[in-house]
Amino acid sequence: KQEVTQIPAALSVPEGENLVLNCSFTDSAIYNLQWFRQDPGKGLTSLLLIQSSQREQTSGRLNASLDKSSGRSTLYIAASQPGDSATYLCAVRPIPSGNTGKLIFGQGTTLQVKP
Amino acid sequence: KAGVTQTPRYLIKTRGQQVTLSCSPISGHRSVSWYQQTPGQGLQFLFEYFSETQRNKGNFPGRFSGRQFSNSRSEMNVSTLELGDSALYLCASSSGENTEAFFGQGTRLTVV
Repeated sequence: KQEVTQIPAALSVPEGENLVLNCSFTDSAIYNLQWFRQDPGKGLTSLLLIQSSQREQTSGRLNASLDKSSGRSTLYIAASQPGDSATYLCAVRPIPSGNTGKLIFGQGTTLQVKP
Repeated sequence: KAGVTQTPRYLIKTRGQQVTLSCSPISGHRSVSWYQQTPGQGLQFLFEYFSETQRNKGNFPGRFSGRQFSNSRSEMNVSTLELGDSALYLCASSSGENTEAFFGQGTRLTVV
């Protein structure tokens, strides 16, 4: 059974720091991995999608890497800002589920960036 | 282009009632998935529809059901509501296989 774990559960950093959020999954049979951001009481905003054949994706100050063989992904945020404060979720789309929209989520990392 | 639209945004229902939530996917997207988010369980998959057919179902009781219409809009229904059904219900749409999933703002359901 695929399980997704995110460490740490919460993180507080001063503005301007570079930081790394971690995501691990137990089964490497995935189609892709997606990172999301969620503000309190809101829906999920897609940040980056990495296909299983890719090693990393970049968007602005965000860089996500994927090591499928070790079951790990990291989300790197450069020069953090207070506006980055949110919960970050990673999700994998497992291959055994076939061509379906099923995503398996981690519990998230709640980030606070202090001014 | 317009994103995923979920209605209503907030609902308060009484135990034993039933509720219907609606999701309009991004134009051209044929896959719609539903998730339940609670503080204790996190995000859990309910079911997915593609071209009006349910392709996958999570581990939820039969009180949870859904459907998809020919215009790809989807509804989910929860019957005989329980207090534990209080949650944020999220809908996601995607254009096809293994593509990026886009989520709506969710419907906050409170059962009293």
